[in-house]
Amino acid sequence: KNQVEQSPQSLIILEGKNCTLQCNYTVSPFSNLRWYKQDTGRGPVSLTIMTFSENTKSNGRYTATLDADTKQSSLHITASQLSDSASYICVVSAIRYGNKLVFGAGTILRVKS
Amino acid sequence: ETGVTQTPRHLVMGMTNKKSLKCEQHLGHNAMYWYKQSAKKPLELMFVYSLEERVENNSVPSRFSPECPNSSHLFLHLHTLQPEDSALYLCASSKGLAGGYNEQFFGPGTRLTVL
Repeated sequence: KNQVEQSPQSLIILEGKNCTLQCNYTVSPFSNLRWYKQDTGRGPVSLTIMTFSENTKSNGRYTATLDADTKQSSLHITASQLSDSASYICVVSAIRYGNKLVFGAGTILRVKS
Repeated sequence: ETGVTQTPRHLVMGMTNKKSLKCEQHLGHNAMYWYKQSAKKPLELMFVYSLEERVENNSVPSRFSPECPNSSHLFLHLHTLQPEDSALYLCASSKGLAGGYNEQFFGPGTRLTVL
């Protein structure tokens, strides 16, 4: 079982709506948690990076939250746009393995007009 | 653009061919990475180079052979691949080794199809 699990696997929403993507991890201890956006045919691009002591980090319409006690993170997208259609990947940095990055499989988001 | 370029963007090869993937970063970074991305699976780290020395090799079959001639260039040499090697191959770079707070910047990837 992967140490970083993301849900849902895929999601379709209407343009203008909000949505929340989930990331549950078992990696412990960890130094930071990242969210990446990957457009089709492109490499991942960083959205946010949070240390284990941070609860929230925003980047425009993207807001990531982190609950280190429950080992959960979420990425909230506000007022979605067609350009938000992409795969969103959660990544945890594992201290035990020399800060190795552990990747989730991603959530595929499709925004419809 | 992220400052990391990859060529070719698409590659179709037979199982007996030899080909190479190229990655170049224009960011002045000193660490470079190869990842394999298969559908619905997490990114798999293949190789890590820091200051042109290989520091990580994650049990990758010998049919994949990396080369890092300098801190700006990274190659992945391919020979006698299998159909299950078909995937998106991503190159990334970072200022120091990623995992701390060093940001990784990814290239657009090479879509490889092995027939």
